[in-house]
Amino acid sequence: SAVISQKPSRDICQRGTSLTIQCQVDSQVTMMFWYRQQPGQSLTLIATANQGSEATYESGFVIDKFPISRPNLTFSTLTVSNMSPEDSSIYLCSARAGGETQYFGPGTRLLVL
Amino acid sequence: AQKVTQAQTEISVVEKEDVTLDCVYETRDTTYYLFWYKQPPSGELVFLIRRNSFDEQNEISGRYSWNFQKSTSSFNFTITASQVVDSAVYFCALSEARQKVTFGIGTKLQVIP
Repeated sequence: SAVISQKPSRDICQRGTSLTIQCQVDSQVTMMFWYRQQPGQSLTLIATANQGSEATYESGFVIDKFPISRPNLTFSTLTVSNMSPEDSSIYLCSARAGGETQYFGPGTRLLVL
Repeated sequence: AQKVTQAQTEISVVEKEDVTLDCVYETRDTTYYLFWYKQPPSGELVFLIRRNSFDEQNEISGRYSWNFQKSTSSFNFTITASQVVDSAVYFCALSEARQKVTFGIGTKLQVIP
């Protein structure tokens, strides 16, 4: 298994600003993922972040809006750039460990005013 | 393409009742993995179980049990003698080998004391 922490746990931001979310895993993992969960909705994959390569973005998500870093096997960041109220969501970091299982962090609740 | 259907969006039961959450999946692969996650009001996604496509054996863990039937492409989750602490959103999910995880829309379970 894997224990994942995220910072910040929540934030309120102004329109047009950017927020960087940090994700730390307690063990080395190859694959990390970033998800968005809008209120009352399911999880939507933003991108897959593998160490040593560029993140792979899902349809509808672009690097300019959601730049991701993956400097080592235990850490990743997601930046939400030039925020608008539509970006208000829970952002979840995930890592694949113990085979095919994905474990999740506690999430970052973002409110954009 | 992979797809997960959770037809029940919300279920309410009285404490101590048994409840079954349905999950139907679609995949073209012969190797795949099925998951259930619990998301309590705090927002964190808690991993409950993983099943691979070659293991149809049902599983019981305390008050939780899972019924995997490839013939009907279903992976149902039963909570026996439900408790208020079981109130949460439950997600069924599917991944093909080394691929991204696809989540259902979730079933919100409310256990009434």
